[in-house]
Amino acid sequence: GESVGLHLPTLSVQEGDNSIINCAYSNSASDYFIWYKQESGKGPQFIIDIRSNMDKRQGQRVTVLLNKTVKHLSLQIAATQPGDSAVYFCAERDTDKLIFGTGTRLQVFP
Amino acid sequence: GAGVSQTPSNKVTEKGKYVELRCDPISGHTALYWYRQSLGQGPEFLIYFQGTGAADDSGLPNDRFFAVRPEGSVSTLKIQRTERGDSAVYLCASSYRQGYQDEQFFGPGTRLTVL
Repeated sequence: GESVGLHLPTLSVQEGDNSIINCAYSNSASDYFIWYKQESGKGPQFIIDIRSNMDKRQGQRVTVLLNKTVKHLSLQIAATQPGDSAVYFCAERDTDKLIFGTGTRLQVFP
Repeated sequence: GAGVSQTPSNKVTEKGKYVELRCDPISGHTALYWYRQSLGQGPEFLIYFQGTGAADDSGLPNDRFFAVRPEGSVSTLKIQRTERGDSAVYLCASSYRQGYQDEQFFGPGTRLTVL
């Protein structure tokens, strides 16, 4: 998959710092949300998901926060590593399909 | 196979030609999805199969695009009379569709370039 985008928002962090990537979604009726990571030349890879009846979910080094009031999702990555460098997309499920947001490129510096 | 595979990985064609893109889903996955990703954008839904039938083809941009999944496994996306605007990465995903959570596993994509 193509992950190099000329106009993608970019977040630059130092290795070891925490990263926060934000996303706004469009449909207030959406009930399931997913964060994907996409590295250059690869397809999106599932990171973590959350249902609309939750406001926080934690995984390994990652946390997703959901604010339904303002239709906002965030992905927090703890102790960011060079291997976390990629483009990150949020997606909301609409019936059977996924609707992806604008990606954010995460760059990790040593 | 270990994951979703797509062939070819790259396809260069001329305007007006016909192309076929193939997707091999994860074995046992009943649901299969096609998405299209343009440079700098997130994937956009094209079509969804449940088994052999297209359950939702609302994302196909026009009638030049067609997809099949005759045996409920491999799927082919067909594009007739290709246009330069069709240039993109075409992603396939599959899922098991069990219960509420329905993680879609994506393949690496086919990069289509129409000259």
